[in-house]
Amino acid sequence: AQSVTQLDSQVPVFEEAPVELRCNYSSSVSVYLFWYVQYPNQGLQLLLKYLSGSTLVKGINGFEAEFNKSQTSFHLRKPSVHISDTAEYFCAVSDGGFKTIFGAGTRLFVKA
Amino acid sequence: NAGVTQTPKFQVLKTGQSMTLQCAQDMNHNSMYWYRQDPGMGLRLIYYSASEGTTDKGEVPNGYNVSRLNKREFSLRLESAAPSQTSVYFCASSEASWDNSYEQYFGPGTRLTVT
Repeated sequence: AQSVTQLDSQVPVFEEAPVELRCNYSSSVSVYLFWYVQYPNQGLQLLLKYLSGSTLVKGINGFEAEFNKSQTSFHLRKPSVHISDTAEYFCAVSDGGFKTIFGAGTRLFVKA
Repeated sequence: NAGVTQTPKFQVLKTGQSMTLQCAQDMNHNSMYWYRQDPGMGLRLIYYSASEGTTDKGEVPNGYNVSRLNKREFSLRLESAAPSQTSVYFCASSEASWDNSYEQYFGPGTRLTVT
């Protein structure tokens, strides 16, 4: 069975500081990994995804994530955040089928 | 393209009342989903439809029914609403992309309160 654990429920950070949102997963098969973002009062939208190949994946809005197979992690990073990055971020895993398992979410608060 | 649309955006029900949440997508996707989102619990799958004509239970199906009306539309029905069903409900759709991943596209959500 697959599962996703997001290690931080809330992450406060000052504007222009770097940020890392942590995600661990478990799966017995090869996985597809995703990060989705949910801005206030909106649905989720895809930020980036990892399928295979390079372990560093770049997404929209300057975000990137690194896949680490030995640590079963897929942490999301941004070198310098903006106020507009305030949102909830969800890590998700799929075995390649149409069902996806989502983590509990991490609320990122960017302070001026 | 409107993407995934949901109606209504907000709804207040009394315990025991029934209602149907509507969802439609215009991306010609085969798979559609209903999730509920509760604080600290992320998204939990209620029901999904892998393709037109099929529906299956997800993680938390009790108290809900679904209908895949056609390829575009997938509705969620609460027959007898309970306060535990107070939540934000999201509809999503997906299709296998060139890399065989199933990126999901979400609607804006329905905020339901049951009193």
